[in-house]
Amino acid sequence: ETGVTQTPRHLVMGMTNKKSLKCEQHLGHNAMYWYKQSAKKPLELMFVYNFKEQTENNSVPSRFSPECPNSSHLFLHLHTLQPEDSALYLCASSQDPGVGYTFGSGTRLTVV
Amino acid sequence: GQQLNQSPQSMFIQEGEDVSMNCTSSSIFNTWLWYKQDPGEGPVLLIALYKAGELTSNGRLTAQFGITRKDSFLNISASIPSDVGIYFCAGPIWAGSYQLTFGKGTKLSVIP
Repeated sequence: ETGVTQTPRHLVMGMTNKKSLKCEQHLGHNAMYWYKQSAKKPLELMFVYNFKEQTENNSVPSRFSPECPNSSHLFLHLHTLQPEDSALYLCASSQDPGVGYTFGSGTRLTVV
Repeated sequence: GQQLNQSPQSMFIQEGEDVSMNCTSSSIFNTWLWYKQDPGEGPVLLIALYKAGELTSNGRLTAQFGITRKDSFLNISASIPSDVGIYFCAGPIWAGSYQLTFGKGTKLSVIP
């Protein structure tokens, strides 16, 4: 059991669905991140939140919408996704930006 | 942007063999991190290096921070089946705020 918990672990959704991924960290960290991991690609940083404020949006399409209500919780709202959005979505947290991250186990997303 | 180049991309080794992999960059890094990702899980931090020339061990794993600060090496001695996974190097970069950038990973397979 890591200090970063992601739910659900697996998600299958249609292209017209709306769903949300949830991430919760119990480490007292100040920064949280969303990463996308596709086959044969490096980890792609999507969003960075530091003290609940979004500090980075790495040219992510608007069909991905993050929400950080407090420093312990991070959501990724999904709507009208495409099949190429199928991937492992990883949440991470750190005490300070750029310092060693603690990752969750990820949500395996399949868009059909 | 700053890229981390990992080699080899994949390795197949016999149980009991030693393994060596490396990570290089055209830019200087002040910190090198090595992560391991088990199948279906998020990456887990193995070793952190903070000083050029530093050699750090974690059980059968040993990592070194290159003198030029542009490379790092990870060695695994006497491999066992549970060493299977993807090994990532990572380092902090400045992009308006500090972020971790990751290599593409080395996929290790251990043949019993």
